[in-house]
Amino acid sequence: QKEVEQNSGPLSVPEGAIASLNCTYSDRGSQSFFWYRQYSGKSPELIMFIYSNGDKEDGRFTAQLNKASQYVSLLIRDSQPSDSATYLCAVNRDNNDMRFGAGTRLTVKP
Amino acid sequence: DGGITQSPKYLFRKEGQNVTLSCEQNLNHDAMYWYRQDPGQGLRLIYYSQIVNDFQKGDIAEGYSVSREKKESFPLTVTSAQKNPTAFYLCASRNSFNYGYTFGSGTRLTVV
Repeated sequence: QKEVEQNSGPLSVPEGAIASLNCTYSDRGSQSFFWYRQYSGKSPELIMFIYSNGDKEDGRFTAQLNKASQYVSLLIRDSQPSDSATYLCAVNRDNNDMRFGAGTRLTVKP
Repeated sequence: DGGITQSPKYLFRKEGQNVTLSCEQNLNHDAMYWYRQDPGQGLRLIYYSQIVNDFQKGDIAEGYSVSREKKESFPLTVTSAQKNPTAFYLCASRNSFNYGYTFGSGTRLTVV
């Protein structure tokens, strides 16, 4: 079992729709959770972090965490073509060792 | 502007050759990391350093070496012992605000 699992996609949504990206993790001791966006050929960029169960909103992005289910998600509202990228879920274990999923490729079609 | 600078952007290695990838940060972060990214496999941890003059092996350290003589610098050497070095190499540092990582722009290494 991989430590951080994501559906590789591709996930395709029309412009203006909500994109929903999901991630599960195996280590129950994980403390903090992150979403990175990676454009093709570029390095990852941190877009969201969440520590507590529930929702955290930042602009068009909402991160959701359910520690009991070991599940993290990212919602992108009003998706734009510029949101087309690979989204990496990352989990920080209690020794501050970040583990990354393989990423979900999102395509937003105009 | 604060950030992480990786150089070179592209690097070509001949068989049996050692090469060194540079990583410099001016963010005043203590912890620094080296990851390797292969298509479809996500990021795999090579080495990390929590403080100057100390570093730890990650999951795939064989064939790599690092040093941390200065807080700002964390170079990675890919030795001839690394049999499949072609990959995208990413250096990162951890901020103490949210424990997220800031990445450099990466070095793409190809064996020729």
